[in-house]
Amino acid sequence: DVKVTQSSRYLVKRTGEKVFLECVQDMDHENMFWYRQDPGLGLRLIYFSYDVKMKEKGDIPEGYSVSREKKERFSLILESASTNQTSMYLCASSLVGSFNEQFFGPGTRLTVL
Amino acid sequence: GQQLNQSPQSMFIQEGEDVSMNCTSSSIFNTWLWYKQDPGEGPVLLIALYKAGELTSNGRLTAQFGITRKDSFLNISASIPSDVGIYFCAGRYRNTNAGKSTFGDGTTLTVKP
Repeated sequence: DVKVTQSSRYLVKRTGEKVFLECVQDMDHENMFWYRQDPGLGLRLIYFSYDVKMKEKGDIPEGYSVSREKKERFSLILESASTNQTSMYLCASSLVGSFNEQFFGPGTRLTVL
Repeated sequence: GQQLNQSPQSMFIQEGEDVSMNCTSSSIFNTWLWYKQDPGEGPVLLIALYKAGELTSNGRLTAQFGITRKDSFLNISASIPSDVGIYFCAGRYRNTNAGKSTFGDGTTLTVKP
């Protein structure tokens, strides 16, 4: 079974804190993705990576950065968390190629106070 | 970015009823995908469509790739309580080797026993 795990299910942080969200997949997938999910807005792509140390901006990269030092791990970083970054964050992975299914993790619900 | 319009936004139905939801795009996609997200979990792929006009079933679920390549629908027959969740459509363009998808805003389905 493909497994995508995220380091926390729930996280509460204060404005201005640096926040790390970790994602690990165990199926040797090349592609990894970070989305945020907000009511009525669906899933919006923040960043994705198609190889180790490679990253590309998605639709809403502002206020976020990412790191992919190992193939199985993709980290999302909020350098200075703000209240408008309160959201559900979903990580996904897939094999390379436009026909391959994305497998999602369970999500991290982040609250920034 | 590319816009996907998914409707309806929410549905409240009685157990046993059939359900229909759809997605439309202002431009052409080469792949349409339908995901379901259970409460507290990440989305899971239900059906993938790769050719215009394609009609695919997965148990009580049926999805079609519109002839114009700009729309897709999902039908659920004889709904049951475990059908509750958020249903997302997603579209992909050709040559997206990173498997990037554009997601609709989701349809929240509530099934009353």
